[in-house]
Amino acid sequence: EVQLVESGGGLVQPGRALRLSCAASGFTFEDVAMHWVRQAPGKGLEWVAGVTWNSVSSDYADSVKGRFTISRDNAKNSLYLQMNSLRPEDTALYYCVKTYGDRTFDHWGLGALVTVSS
Amino acid sequence: QSALTQPRSVSASPGQSVTISCTGTASDVGGFDYVSWYQQHPNKAPRLLIYGVTQRPSGVPDRFSASKSGNSASLTISGLQPEDEADYYCSSFTVSFTWVFGGGTKLTVL
Repeated sequence: EVQLVESGGGLVQPGRALRLSCAASGFTFEDVAMHWVRQAPGKGLEWVAGVTWNSVSSDYADSVKGRFTISRDNAKNSLYLQMNSLRPEDTALYYCVKTYGDRTFDHWGLGALVTVSS
Repeated sequence: QSALTQPRSVSASPGQSVTISCTGTASDVGGFDYVSWYQQHPNKAPRLLIYGVTQRPSGVPDRFSASKSGNSASLTISGLQPEDEADYYCSSFTVSFTWVFGGGTKLTVL
């Protein structure tokens, strides 16, 4: 059974940093691209970032480019999201997402809540 | 990276059919056969319903079907059941190697 468990969320002041982690199990982690998708309270889904299976390439939404960094450790079956210079508009539930065929999101974690507020 | 356009809400009675549209551009929906649809119940994680425009993962009932024409895609749910009441999102790969979601459609089963 595929499991994706996010951690590292919390309350942080604007301008500060936070690092999310995602522990993956139940599939061959090193074979698939992984992504982060977020959902602000009461709002829709927003793609944040993605990384290829071998970390050769990563892509970002314009709203986080230059502030967030996605990375992975295939030896630890883990995905990360380093979030710097956080803004109130980054407040959201952040989902760790597995891809299927690199072109769809077939399994989602339960999410980690990040609240940016003074 | 503009969001794909979906109706904010749709409604229908149990047993009826409903179609949700998703409009993008030639740079996303129209340019790739990588449109997916997701179902999200309140306080739950999204669930993949459709990928590759028309493909259903195992476990998804065949009441859910989808198609694409030009820059628009659509999801049809037939034989509506009360448990189908949820939010539905479309998504697409884009020419910029990014992904974009629709704004979401709230389905109410009357």
